[in-house]
Amino acid sequence: KQEVTQIPAALSVPEGENLVLNCSFTDSAIYNLQWFRQDPGKGLTSLLLIQSSQREQTSGRLNASLDKSSGRSTLYIAASQPGDSATYLCAASHAGNMLTFGGGTRLMVKP
Amino acid sequence: DTGVSQNPRHKITKRGQNVTFRCDPISEHNRLYWYRQTLGQGPEFLTYFQNEAQLEKSRLLSDRFSAERPKGSFSTLEIQRTEQGDSAMYLCASSLGSGGPSSTDTQYFGPGTRLTVL
Repeated sequence: KQEVTQIPAALSVPEGENLVLNCSFTDSAIYNLQWFRQDPGKGLTSLLLIQSSQREQTSGRLNASLDKSSGRSTLYIAASQPGDSATYLCAASHAGNMLTFGGGTRLMVKP
Repeated sequence: DTGVSQNPRHKITKRGQNVTFRCDPISEHNRLYWYRQTLGQGPEFLTYFQNEAQLEKSRLLSDRFSAERPKGSFSTLEIQRTEQGDSAMYLCASSLGSGGPSSTDTQYFGPGTRLTVL
């Protein structure tokens, strides 16, 4: 059974810092790895999707990497802003597009 | 608004009552998913439809949970004889599947229905 773990569980940084969120998974037989953002009381917004054959994806200030062999993914956020404050979730995809989510990292960016 | 919509947004019920939630996916999406999210945790997969066919339901939490997508458009999730442990956010997502069951695609999530069982 796939298990997805995210470290740290919570993170507080001053505005402008670059930061890295970590995600690890136990079963490397994944179809893709996705990163989502969730604002309090809201649904999830897809940020980046890395196919199993890819190593990384970039969107604006966000860069996600995938290392299937070691069971790790990272989300890099450059020049963080207060508007980046949210919970960030990673999810591993399996057959049937079933997603297994980590517990999330709660990010607070202070002005 | 052309995103995924869920109704109601909030539901408060007494233990033992039945509840039903509705999800309207993005109109051209053929795949629909239900997840449950408890406080401080990531979403947990429950079930999945491709068009009207329910392809995965082994993850439904108990036989009190059931889901339908009768015409391959909107879906309903029903919980019978609710328990306090059912209190959670229930999320629906949809996607446009362009390949077979093993293909992958970006899932778009609705705002969720928050259930409180008293």
